[in-house]
Amino acid sequence: LAKTTQPISMDSYEGQEVNITCSHNNIATNDYITWYQQFPSQGPRFIIQGYKTKVTNEVASLFIPADRKSSTLSLPRVSLSDTAVYYCLVGPASGGSYIPTFGRGTSLIVHP
Amino acid sequence: GAVVSQHPSRVICKSGTSVKIECRSLDFQATTMFWYRQFPKQSLMLMATSNEGSKATYEQGVEKDKFLINHASLTLSTLTVTSAHPEDSSFYICSAQAPGQGAHQPQHFGDGTRLSIL
Repeated sequence: LAKTTQPISMDSYEGQEVNITCSHNNIATNDYITWYQQFPSQGPRFIIQGYKTKVTNEVASLFIPADRKSSTLSLPRVSLSDTAVYYCLVGPASGGSYIPTFGRGTSLIVHP
Repeated sequence: GAVVSQHPSRVICKSGTSVKIECRSLDFQATTMFWYRQFPKQSLMLMATSNEGSKATYEQGVEKDKFLINHASLTLSTLTVTSAHPEDSSFYICSAQAPGQGAHQPQHFGDGTRLSIL
C-alpha cells in the first residue's frame, strides 16, 4: 500500500491560492490519487481524482508530475469556508482488495 | 448524484446498550461499503470493508463480534456496536463505492454518527 505524507497544517488568507502537496513515493502503476475534504463532525467529501499530469474541475486542480511520486492539490482563491482538513489517498483502479488508508491529512486554516 | 445517507447522526445511550447505524447509498448501487472510526483531532481509521452478500473483512484489532456488519443489499450496510461501553464513544463514518468500470471509483461518505456512551 502506498503511504502518503502531507504537511500537518497550513495557513492562508482569503483570496489566495493554496497548494497542498502529498508525497506517495511507493505509488503503484495502477494507483489513482484522490483528494478529500473534511469539515468538523462531517464525513469527507470527494474533491478531485487523477492519474497523471493535470486534472481540473470546478473547485480545484490536481497536478501530478511524471514520476507520480507526489501530487499537489491547488485551491484557487480560497475563502473562509475552505477551512477544513484535506486528505490524499492512493489506490488501485480495479482488481484486488482495496484498503483505503487515510493519513493525518492537512489542516488548512483560512484567515480573513 | 452519489449521495450516501447515514443514520442516526447522533446517539447517546447507556453503557451496555447495542447501537445500530445504517448506511444507505441513495442513488447508486454500492457493492463495497467501508466503515471508519474517527477520534477527536485524529484521522479516519478503517474498521472494516463490507461487500454485498459476503462477510465483512475486519482490520486488525477490530473485534468482529463487537462491531457487527451486515451488507444485505446493494444500497444498505449496517454497523451494530454491541454492548457499547464508554471507550466505544467515537465518530463513526461509512462510505460507499460504486462498482468499478475502468477508472477508480471514489468513495462517497455519509455524514457520520456521533456515538456517546454514558
